[in-house]
Amino acid sequence: GQNIDQPTEMTATEGAIVQINCTYQTSGFNGLFWYQQHAGEAPTFLSYNVLDGLEEKGRFSSFLSRSKGYSYLLLKELQMKDSASYLCAVLDSNYQLIWGAGTKLIIKP
Amino acid sequence: DAMVIQNPRYQVTQFGKPVTLSCSQTLNHNVMYWYQQKSSQAPKLLFHYYDKDFNNEADTPDNFQSRRPNTSFCFLDIRSPGLGDAAMYLCATSVEAGGTYNEQFFGPGTRLTVL
Repeated sequence: GQNIDQPTEMTATEGAIVQINCTYQTSGFNGLFWYQQHAGEAPTFLSYNVLDGLEEKGRFSSFLSRSKGYSYLLLKELQMKDSASYLCAVLDSNYQLIWGAGTKLIIKP
Repeated sequence: DAMVIQNPRYQVTQFGKPVTLSCSQTLNHNVMYWYQQKSSQAPKLLFHYYDKDFNNEADTPDNFQSRRPNTSFCFLDIRSPGLGDAAMYLCATSVEAGGTYNEQFFGPGTRLTVL
C-alpha cells in the first residue's frame, strides 16, 4: 500500500528553527509537495521537490532524497503565525496526490 | 484576483437530507478536485475532473456524486448524508498539461454538519 509518515505534533520556540520530517512509500514518484494548513482553513502550497536536494524559499526550505523516500521541511526564524499543520503529499506514478495526515506545529513565545 | 470560491462556508443539514456544495474558480484550470477532510486527518480525494472526464476514487461511497457543468463550476452532491459525512469539504484546482503537474490551489472549504 501507499504510505506517508510524518510526526503528529511538534513544538518549537519563536525565533528558533524546526525540521519536519516526512517519509513515503508510494507506487512511483512524480514529486513531493509541502502544504501549510491553518486550523479551519484550506491548505496553501509551500514547496515542490522532484529532484534530490534542497530548495530554499525565504524562511522555508524543503529537502528531498528519493533513494531514501525522505523529505523534510525546514522553518527558520519561527514566528507565531507559523503555528499550523504542515502536510506532506507525494504525486505517485498515476499522478494521484497521496497525502500525509499532517504535522501540527505549535510555536511558543 | 484569480481564486477558488466555495459556497457556503458552513452548511448544516439533517440526517438523510440531500445537500449540494458548490465550487467555482476564476483560474481557468482544467482539473478540479473534491476532497473530504476530517479533523487531524489527511485530505481524502473523492473524485476529480480532468477537463470533462470524471474520475471517481474506488472507495468513494455511491452517496457522493459530482457535476461539472462547465470549466468554472463543480458541484458535490451528497444524496443521503449520514453522521459520518460531517467533515470539511475542500475543492481544489490545478493545471495539468502534457504530463506536467502543478500544485493544487484550494478553496476555503465548506464545513458540513449533519444533525
